[in-house]
Parts: sequence; structure tokens; C-alpha cells
Amino acid sequence: GAVVSQHPSWVICKSGTSVKIECRSLDFQATTMFWYRQFPKKSLMLMATSNEGSKATYEQGVEKDKFLINHASLTLSTLTVTSAHPEDSSFYICSAPNPGLAADTQYFGPGTRLTVL
Amino acid sequence: DAKTTQPNSMESNEEEPVHLPCNHSTISGTDYIHWYRQLPSQGPEYVIHGLTSNVNNRMASLAIAEDRKSSTLILHRATLRDAAVYYCILNPGAGSYQLTFGKGTKLSVIP
Repeated sequence: GAVVSQHPSWVICKSGTSVKIECRSLDFQATTMFWYRQFPKKSLMLMATSNEGSKATYEQGVEKDKFLINHASLTLSTLTVTSAHPEDSSFYICSAPNPGLAADTQYFGPGTRLTVL
Repeated sequence: DAKTTQPNSMESNEEEPVHLPCNHSTISGTDYIHWYRQLPSQGPEYVIHGLTSNVNNRMASLAIAEDRKSSTLILHRATLRDAAVYYCILNPGAGSYQLTFGKGTKLSVIP
């Protein structure tokens, strides 16, 4: 079946550096993808909607200049955390709409765990 | 957004059926009821969804109350691999892909 992959699965970086996370839809196209963030023992929070060929739509309270999203192709969306700080340490998860099922179900990636030292 | 209410946690013995409840008293007529689950350190996984009628698939069954104000996810035989957080989510469909996750129910399966 359709799969969404993420790379890397985990990353450790120094404070002040930037980190790029890739989200790919395998064997299906996704004009829209979603980025979520999940802190320990908390639920997923939608950060932004990534749109192929146009600007991303950010949820209230999410800094667009800090979390850069690029949806350059129908199978790839990237999230770049710029000038990362320890409070950005979290589990980042992407998703893409299921091309087969109705009612707007989604496939989720396995997640990327970011640790900022 | 219409909200859902789920118990924080539940336990089940292995190979026993599990009934995970969800209340959604403010559901609108066009909201679909979605269930996803999240295993530890993984992204969520689609389980099942429905609108009005009960639904079955290879993973689970979804029983929807006649007034649609509640639903129950049924795992027919719990296994250790079913230990996860289960999320009940309402989605209006019609191209509205956004999912709003609540706290979900953490299911523990006892061997």
C-alpha cells in the first residue's frame, strides 16, 4: 500500500544550527502534505499545511520564518527548522492524504525525532 | 471543531476483545468518525472510519450509535502489538484533510 517516509528518523544538532527534514510519498502523489509536532506524552499538533507549488499555510502560533516548508514536487515536502533551540526538540511527523480512501483519511510518516543541544 | 471525549487509558488481556469508547455529542450531520492509533515512537496509523453505519475491516470494527453521538472501536482479539494510543477524530470530509488530535486512549495489553 501507499507509504509515507521521513528522513532522517532522528537528528541531534547544536543550538543555532538549521535542520532539514524530508517527507516523501512513495508510489503516490500528494499535492498537499501536513506537518505535525508532538512533545513527549502530548498529542500531535498540526503546524502547517504544505502545498505543492505554492506557499505553505501555517497554524496560529507557528513561526513561518522559523519553520520553513518547501513542497517542490508532488512527492516531496521538506521542513527546515532554522536556528534551532532546545525548545524545538520534539517529534516531527508528516502526513499525506490517502489517494484511495474517501473521507479524507491520511497516511503518516514514521516521524523524525529532533534533539537540539 | 466538534470535539471528542475518550478515556485516558484502558487495559485489556491479550487475545480478549477490546471496546474503546468515544463520545462526540456535538457531531454534525456530515462529520466522519475516524480512528487512528499511534504505537510508541511511531507516526499515527489509520485504523478505520465511518459515517453512519457500522464498519468492519481487517484491523477492527467501528460501531456507531444510532444518534451518532458516540462510537466504539472494537478490536476483536487484542495482541501485544495493539498496545498504542488510540485517537477518535471527527472530520468533515469534502476535502478537509486536517485532523485535530485529542489526547486519545492509551491501551495497554496484558500478556
